[in-house]
Amino acid sequence: GAVVSQHPSWVICKSGTSVKIECRSLDFQATTMFWYRQFPKQSLMLMATSNEGSKATYEQGVEKDKFLINHASLTLSTLTVTSAHPEDSSFYICSASKIAGEMNEQFFGPGTRLTVL
Amino acid sequence: GENVEQHPSTLSVQEGDSAVIKCTYSDSASNYFPWYKQELGKRPQLIIDIRSNVGEKKDQRIAVTLNKTAKHFSLHITETQPEDSAVYFCAAAGGSYIPTFGRGTSLIVHP
Repeated sequence: GAVVSQHPSWVICKSGTSVKIECRSLDFQATTMFWYRQFPKQSLMLMATSNEGSKATYEQGVEKDKFLINHASLTLSTLTVTSAHPEDSSFYICSASKIAGEMNEQFFGPGTRLTVL
Repeated sequence: GENVEQHPSTLSVQEGDSAVIKCTYSDSASNYFPWYKQELGKRPQLIIDIRSNVGEKKDQRIAVTLNKTAKHFSLHITETQPEDSAVYFCAAAGGSYIPTFGRGTSLIVHP
């Protein structure tokens, strides 16, 4: 199997603080991980593609200075929401693909529910 | 870039009926089309996928068809059950290896 974990599963923070979300591939190496944001009753919106050892590629409209992504190893990518505000409240989901350079099944993490007060 | 349209946004059926969800894509280079099921507050789970070299694929009560010429693909669920109730997303991916998701279909199966 292929298991992707996320931590924390939910977080509540005050406006202006930063929050770090971890995404781990537990039983495989993922050279590429993806970060999505999902608002209630909406689709998954790709925020950025995280590549191990290099800078993330952000989608248009996503502020790279606000959503910091680090892919330090083949099994870990982190998303830091800096100076979070209520409008950043959302469900953040990561995913990873087992095979690099080829589109295959994506394995999703369980998601992190962020609530900014 | 790729654009994926998905219809309907909501689908309500009686238990035992069939359900069909349709998607269209714009990029002729797309060659991989997965379908995901997402229950409330949970992660999307792959239920079936199809590649562009195949026109149809079936797995028990679930089937997917692909028409490359028309650039559309569909999900068919037969003999629906209440536990099939969820949001279903289609996606298309190609040369960039980055999938583009449809807006989702909320399927409600009434007992």
